[in-house]
Amino acid sequence: GENVEQHPSTLSVQEGDSAVIKCTYSDSASNYFPWYKQELGKRPQLIIDIRSNVGEKKDQRIAVTLNKTAKHFSLHITETQPEDSAVYFCAASGNQFYFGTGTSLTVIP
Amino acid sequence: DGGITQSPKYLFRKEGQNVTLSCEQNLNHDAMYWYRQDPGQGLRLIYYSQIVNDFQKGDIAEGYSVSREKKESFPLTVTSAQKNPTAFYLCATATGAVNQPQHFGDGTRLSIL
Repeated sequence: GENVEQHPSTLSVQEGDSAVIKCTYSDSASNYFPWYKQELGKRPQLIIDIRSNVGEKKDQRIAVTLNKTAKHFSLHITETQPEDSAVYFCAASGNQFYFGTGTSLTVIP
Repeated sequence: DGGITQSPKYLFRKEGQNVTLSCEQNLNHDAMYWYRQDPGQGLRLIYYSQIVNDFQKGDIAEGYSVSREKKESFPLTVTSAQKNPTAFYLCATATGAVNQPQHFGDGTRLSIL
C-alpha cells in the first residue's frame, strides 16, 4: 500500500517568516494530494489540495507544489501569522486516503 | 463541516463496557470513514464504508465494529476487546468520486473511567 512520510514533525517560525512542510509518497498511482489544518481539539479542515495534472497551486498565503517524478509535494505558507499555529497533515490518495503523521507548526509573535 | 454530526462530544467507558459513537451526515456522501487519533499523532483508519450495507476494515479494526444500514449513518462501536480505547475519534465523509477530499466531523473524545 501507500506510505506517506511527512517532515518536519515540529516547526517553529517567527511571525512573518515562511514555513515549508514536505511530504513524500510511494505509490505512483496516487493522484490527489490534500492538505489539512487541525487546531487543538478540533477537526481537520481542508486548506488546499492539488491533483496530479498540476504542478503548483496557490491560494493567498498558501501554496502547494507537486513533483510527481520525485513523488513529493510541499506546503508553503508565507507571511505566517499566529493563527497559522496548528497541526498540518498531508495526504495522498489513489483509491484510498493515506495521511502523513502531521507537522506541529508554531508561529512566534 | 456543518453536514457531519458526531455525538457525543465526550464519552467515558467503564471496564468491560461497549460504547457506540454516532456519526450522521446530510451531505449525501457515499463514503464514510472512522479514524482514531492519539495525542500528538496522525490519523489511523479503523473502518470505512463506500456504500450502504458494505464496509471494510482499516489498519486498526481490532476491538471495533461498525454498521452501515443507512447512507446517512455510520456508527462505531468500541468493544471491551479494545484494551486501550482512550483517543480522539474522527468520522469523515467523501462523495466517493476520485480525487475528492474527505470532510471531517468535530470528533468524539473517549476516555476510560
